[in-house]
Amino acid sequence: DSGVTQTPKHLITATGQRVTLRCSPRSGDLSVYWYQQSLDQGLQFLIQYYNGEERAKGNILERFSAQQFPDLHSELNLSSLELGDSALYFCASSQAGFGELFFGEGSRLTVL
Amino acid sequence: AQKITQTQPGMFVQEKEAVTLDCTYDTSDPSYGLFWYKQPSSGEMIFLIYQGSYDQQNATEGRYSLNFQKARKSANLVISASQLGDSAMYFCAMRGGFSGGYNKLIFGAGTRLAVHP
Repeated sequence: DSGVTQTPKHLITATGQRVTLRCSPRSGDLSVYWYQQSLDQGLQFLIQYYNGEERAKGNILERFSAQQFPDLHSELNLSSLELGDSALYFCASSQAGFGELFFGEGSRLTVL
Repeated sequence: AQKITQTQPGMFVQEKEAVTLDCTYDTSDPSYGLFWYKQPSSGEMIFLIYQGSYDQQNATEGRYSLNFQKARKSANLVISASQLGDSAMYFCAMRGGFSGGYNKLIFGAGTRLAVHP
């Protein structure tokens, strides 16, 4: 158990819909990262927050947005979903800037 | 730009034998970290081992060791005495300094390891 909690574990929805993925980092970790893992793209970095502020942005679509709340949990919002958005979405957390990232078990999104 | 390359899409090894999974990297940061993660079929990402760019000795964690060759920019993972439970996808990853985007990890494409009895 990494200590990072992601909900929901599985989600099936239709094209055009909107979903929210939730992440609670390990106790004491200030940084939260979101990654997308699809079969053809591998593990792609989406976005990073540190203590509520956005710190780095990767290949995140404009239809996607994220935020980190004062209690340090984070949400990734995916809107106008397309078939190609089907993937495993990971949240990870770390202490400020050092060491390994601890990953949650992922949220598997299926868009039909 | 930072880049991680894993050239072996798949590998297989006999149980109890050792196996090396290749990883090369590219970065202009003098300070960086190299990581290996294991992803079994259940999907979770499990941290295995870490090597810092200034570490003088190769990292070891139980049956895992990292063969770090800085001049060649390679960070190969060696698994000794393979077990059936080692069958999984293995990812090499790098975390750079500020020029790399404030400590995000970038991942290679992964190597799928199959351990045969």
